Amino acid sequence: DTGVSQNPRHKITKRGQNVTFRCDPISEHNRLYWYRQTLGQGPEFLTYFQNEAQLEKSRLLSDRFSAERPKGSFSTLEIQRTEQGDSAMYLCASRGKGDTIYFGEGSWLTVV
Amino acid sequence: AQTVTQSQPEMSVQEAETVTLSCTYDTSESDYYLFWYKQPPSRQMILVIRQEAYKQQNATENRFSVNFQKAAKSFSLKISDSQLGDAAMYFCAYRVYGGSQGNLIFGKGTKLSVKP
Repeated sequence: DTGVSQNPRHKITKRGQNVTFRCDPISEHNRLYWYRQTLGQGPEFLTYFQNEAQLEKSRLLSDRFSAERPKGSFSTLEIQRTEQGDSAMYLCASRGKGDTIYFGEGSWLTVV
Repeated sequence: AQTVTQSQPEMSVQEAETVTLSCTYDTSESDYYLFWYKQPPSRQMILVIRQEAYKQQNATENRFSVNFQKAAKSFSLKISDSQLGDAAMYFCAYRVYGGSQGNLIFGKGTKLSVKP
């Protein structure tokens, strides 16, 4: 399967702990996005990479959130000192030269 | 700021019938893309259809077609011959054309149920 891959798919963590999600985009896609989706809502944009450069960050991305994309390949999204409000699905997506953005299956985070 | 509005939280259709999902958006841009994404219970977002704003012809993909009204900023999705597998959340999304900004702006979604 050459789609966008995310792991872990599910993560349950205690409040205050750090968590990290990984995203492997479609091969040769130079654009990578992170979104957050809560129940009953559409996805909300978090951040955008073009190759290894983080070009845009949403106001939703607080200081506790950090995203990286070393070497312009896979990306990680780390949440430090998790809070219950961080419980959501974190979606990764990628885009190549075309216009379509392709999504992964998402990583569910539950903070207890 | 660009916004996308889906006014129908839930819709229901009989199998083999036709249903139309509504979407309106607000933007000051002239060049942009519009998309409909489907999110089944497995949660992976799947592209259904896309429309470039500069194209007057409405996009079609098999049983799926759109009614794009640029002046009215309306972008509805018509599903013909509905199938049980069409049951899902449907999200309308907008993306500006070009530039460094490439993120999608989504509506809140419409939950489509298909009755056998």
